Amino acid sequence: TQLLEQSPQFLSIQEGENLTVYCNSSSVFSSLQWYRQEPGEGPVLLVTVVTGGEVKKLKRLTFQFGDARKDSSLHITAAQPGDTGLYLCAGRYNTDKLIFGTGTRLQVFP
Amino acid sequence: NAGVTQTPKFRVLKTGQSMTLLCAQDMNHEYMYWYRQDPGMGLRLIHYSVGEGTTAKGEVPDGYNVSRLKKQNFLLGLESAAPSQTSVYFCASTRAGGHNSYNEQFFGPGTRLTVL
Repeated sequence: TQLLEQSPQFLSIQEGENLTVYCNSSSVFSSLQWYRQEPGEGPVLLVTVVTGGEVKKLKRLTFQFGDARKDSSLHITAAQPGDTGLYLCAGRYNTDKLIFGTGTRLQVFP
Repeated sequence: NAGVTQTPKFRVLKTGQSMTLLCAQDMNHEYMYWYRQDPGMGLRLIHYSVGEGTTAKGEVPDGYNVSRLKKQNFLLGLESAAPSQTSVYFCASTRAGGHNSYNEQFFGPGTRLTVL
């Protein structure tokens, strides 16, 4: 069974702080996606990274794909209460399925 | 477009009872998926379908069955519910070409199931 470990599992910070979430595996991905899930809803896609070393920015969110395509990180600058939610990474191993990470629950306090 | 819808939203079962969860999508997607979500474990794939009339097992298929009789619907059945099946169930769909790295999975709002 392929595993995607995310760290930290929980993160509670004040508005304006920066944070980084990590997603790690021993396997090589063909691509990796990050989703955000709010309470009572399904996950929603934030970004897809495909190339090793790739960096994508989405406003205050920066996503990086490791050079070896085994890991990824999500960095949020100046977090806001609206960033609160569960962040999930999901790796694709050249199949029609995604393997989801264990999740990072972020709480941003005003 | 409604996207992906799931019914019911909540359900409480007694051990041994059966039920069916319905997923419907109006995006003409070929691929559909059933996941369960438990604390600290992310989303785990139960079964999936790559087209009408086809189904396949995922990571945790035991105790569940599925059917895809119509392209827009994907049903998840529990024949004899057990407390270990208490979870939040999500359905998702995506367009054809599932090997495409950029394919986005669109999720329903989830069904919260409790088995007593």
